[in-house]
Amino acid sequence: QVQLQESGPGLVKPSETLSLTCTVSGGSISSYYWSWIRQPPGKGLEWIGYMYYSGSTDYNPSLKSRVTISVDTSKKQFSLRLSSVTAADTAVYYCARGAAMYDPWGQGTLVTVSS
Amino acid sequence: EIVLTQSPGTLSLSPGERATLSCRASQSVSSRYLAWYQQKPGLAPSLLIFAASSRATGIPDRFSGSGSGTDFTLTISRLEPEDFAVYHCQQYGSSPYTFGQGTKLEI
Repeated sequence: QVQLQESGPGLVKPSETLSLTCTVSGGSISSYYWSWIRQPPGKGLEWIGYMYYSGSTDYNPSLKSRVTISVDTSKKQFSLRLSSVTAADTAVYYCARGAAMYDPWGQGTLVTVSS
Repeated sequence: EIVLTQSPGTLSLSPGERATLSCRASQSVSSRYLAWYQQKPGLAPSLLIFAASSRATGIPDRFSGSGSGTDFTLTISRLEPEDFAVYHCQQYGSSPYTFGQGTKLEI
């Protein structure tokens, strides 16, 4: 069965760029959409955006100016870059399969924005 | 953007009881594109229900979803100890896809 695993720094300084990678195992990355979703501590879930394996994307308008999602099919990985981060970007970041409905999810990784 | 409001915020019940969770949308959710996820402490959410009433693979039939338009319900017919968790609704009928704030189901 497909499994997803997020990786990347757990601490990012304000104004810098958050970069995370999601590695897909147990299945193909092709012919699927792949998404990033985040959850600030004690709060609800927020959709960040998705990418189709061929490269098309859609982003949440609230983050669109700062977000880039990319895919590397040869490595079976897709990535998130979020620029100019502030404390409000502190959250558990999840990767998931699907454009709009998500199954399965990665275990999540906590990213803290702090100097 | 469609805003989803879940109620109650916290629901206190006992094993064996019936749970009814509500999700109300600020505008109609097209084609019943409404999902429910279960999230246990420290874990990622997992898909329970999609298309308002279809159970995801492996989900027991004590979980059922219903509703259309702006009002949706998740019902757990007879609570098992492992069902105590946070439940999130999500609409995926129009971008940006949005989630409710969650309902905590506690013993």
